Formats: sequence, structure tokens, C-alpha cells
Amino acid sequence: QSALTQPRSVSGSPGQSVTISCTGTSSDVGGYNYVSWYQQHPGKAPKLMIYDVSERPSGVPDRFSGSKSGNTASLTISGLQAEDEADYYCCSYADSYTSRVFGTGTKVTVL
Amino acid sequence: QVQLQESGPGLVKPSETLSLTCTVSGGSISGYYWSWIRQPPGKGLEWIGYVSSSGSTNYNPSLKSRVTISVDTSKNHFSLKLNSVTAADTALYYCAQSRYPGYHFDYWGQGTLVTVSS
Repeated sequence: QSALTQPRSVSGSPGQSVTISCTGTSSDVGGYNYVSWYQQHPGKAPKLMIYDVSERPSGVPDRFSGSKSGNTASLTISGLQAEDEADYYCCSYADSYTSRVFGTGTKVTVL
Repeated sequence: QVQLQESGPGLVKPSETLSLTCTVSGGSISGYYWSWIRQPPGKGLEWIGYVSSSGSTNYNPSLKSRVTISVDTSKNHFSLKLNSVTAADTALYYCAQSRYPGYHFDYWGQGTLVTVSS
């Protein structure tokens, strides 16, 4: 199974909004509402930011939101802050062998 | 809040077996799914597989022939074995907890680097 496709990098100024896309197929992203997003700062473990496409765990700021259309899921960060600079990975359930597949990762830079 | 801690050798020789343990503290191992995920240096994340607290398993098809994940509820830990390793298996290995049915990873360990080299 192939990794989900994400842009290599996105950037924005403080206060702006950025959106990260995560493109898969009808066998993973498009077929199920089981997309999650993880934030990873350098040298740190990933942290769950969004699950089940658009649900936010307790403690995650509401600046982070998720959505899905067809085979593409998206993570939007509104009101970008300096601490949002990190790598972001999407992940989806994939019905091939009931597996899980991650995205290629996106580096978010706050200008 | 649950805490996870990976442990095991940091250096494994090619063709040998990589063995890691994840110890769970601050909560019970029962009732959850427990995964291993790895990240080669400078690269992205790859799900290896999971074990449920009842012992059922599910593995990444690309690694299935070499992977075994097991759980020991009496010791509140679970383990990873990856055999016939090569340099391509050099990575930071994370353990993670999922609520049923295991579609996302709620808590992660800090990760442990395993290098495959002679």
C-alpha cells in the first residue's frame, strides 16, 4: 500500500490560515471517516490533533480543524502561531488487509 | 494520564532479530489497542502493527512476514519482534495506545532509536 500524499511544505504568517491536504483513494481516505492528524515538533513524539476526520481531542486548540471531500482530507490551522511550526502527518484506515496508512508529511513554517 | 516507555537494544546486527518492549504506566493495558510505529531518520511515519489487550493482532502487509507483536497483561507491557533486519529497518520506533477500534493513536511513547549495523 502507498503512503497518502501530502504537500512537502506550507507556510504562512502569524494570524493567517494554512491548509494541509492529504490525498488517498476510495480504499482509504475516501471510503472511511477514520482520518487522523498528528503534529510532530523536532525531536519529539507525534501528538494527536484530529481524529475521525474532524474531532478534536481534549486540550487541542480549536484553531485546528479537519474536513474531508472525496479522497482528500484537509487540516486547517487558523490564526497561525509560532508554536504551530512543526511537521504534520495524516493517517487513515485502509481496507486492504484492514491496515493503517500514514501520509508523507508536511512541514509547516511560520514566517 | 497514561505514559508509554520503549526499551530495548539500540544496535542490532543485520539478519538478526530486533526486540523492543513498551511499558505502560498510569493506566491499565486492558481494553485498548497497542501499536508500534516507526520513523526512519529524516523520513515519515510507518505503522508496523497492533495487538489488542486480548491478544489479537493486525500487521502492516509490507512487514507481516517478519513481525510479531505480543502483549503481557500481567506485566502491563507489550513487545515487538522484527526478524531478518537490514539497514532499511534503522529507525526511531514508537509505541502508541489506541482506543477501540484502533483507528487513531491517542498517546505515544518518546521513541527509541534502533540502528541496524554490523
